[in-house]
Amino acid sequence: GIQVEQSPPDLILQEGANSTLRCNFSDSVNNLQWFHQNPWGQLINLFYIPSGTKQNGRLSATTVATERYSLLYISSSQTTDSGVYFCAVERGNNNDMRFGAGTRLTVKP
Amino acid sequence: EAEVAQSPRYKITEKSQAVAFWCDPISGHATLYWYRQILGQGPELLVQFQDESVVDDSQLPKDRFSAERLKGVDSTLKIQPAELGDSAMYLCASSNKNRRNSPLHFGNGTRLTVT
Repeated sequence: GIQVEQSPPDLILQEGANSTLRCNFSDSVNNLQWFHQNPWGQLINLFYIPSGTKQNGRLSATTVATERYSLLYISSSQTTDSGVYFCAVERGNNNDMRFGAGTRLTVKP
Repeated sequence: EAEVAQSPRYKITEKSQAVAFWCDPISGHATLYWYRQILGQGPELLVQFQDESVVDDSQLPKDRFSAERLKGVDSTLKIQPAELGDSAMYLCASSNKNRRNSPLHFGNGTRLTVT
């Protein structure tokens, strides 16, 4: 099956810093999503981005489907950004979403 | 914004007992998923429904796990008997695959502890 690799596995930032999280995948996909899992375990959908670039406030994401990677940018990080960020991809229309192992982000005040 | 509802939020059970989780997807979402997330890992699919039909249950341990979505709306995931290794977060998600660009939406999950 498709492989999803996220990097870095762990990231510690000072409040206000910027960061880039990466997701590499091993095959062509028709769906890619970024999620944030908060400390209570809730998975929150950040972006649906099979290709192109999207922005939502301090967060933006870019997927280069032809090169099989996606990037999540967090600017001016806040302590509430802490948690685990997951990338998930879907290869076909009726296939499941395969998740990476996540990037654990800790933002210190 | 509509949400995926799950209950219970937490469940503690002894090994060899039966346990059940319930999920109500976003209204109109034909596709429903059950994922299991072990601490420190990403979610892994257990079963996927399209309406009332199972699309993929290849990763479901069928000797002890069962899932149903009888009327194509809400769903129940059951474990009988529970084992210590079943301790995990069980997440339900839904999407509208009849519509293009339909993202996956997750519920708050059920955190299961087997003692």
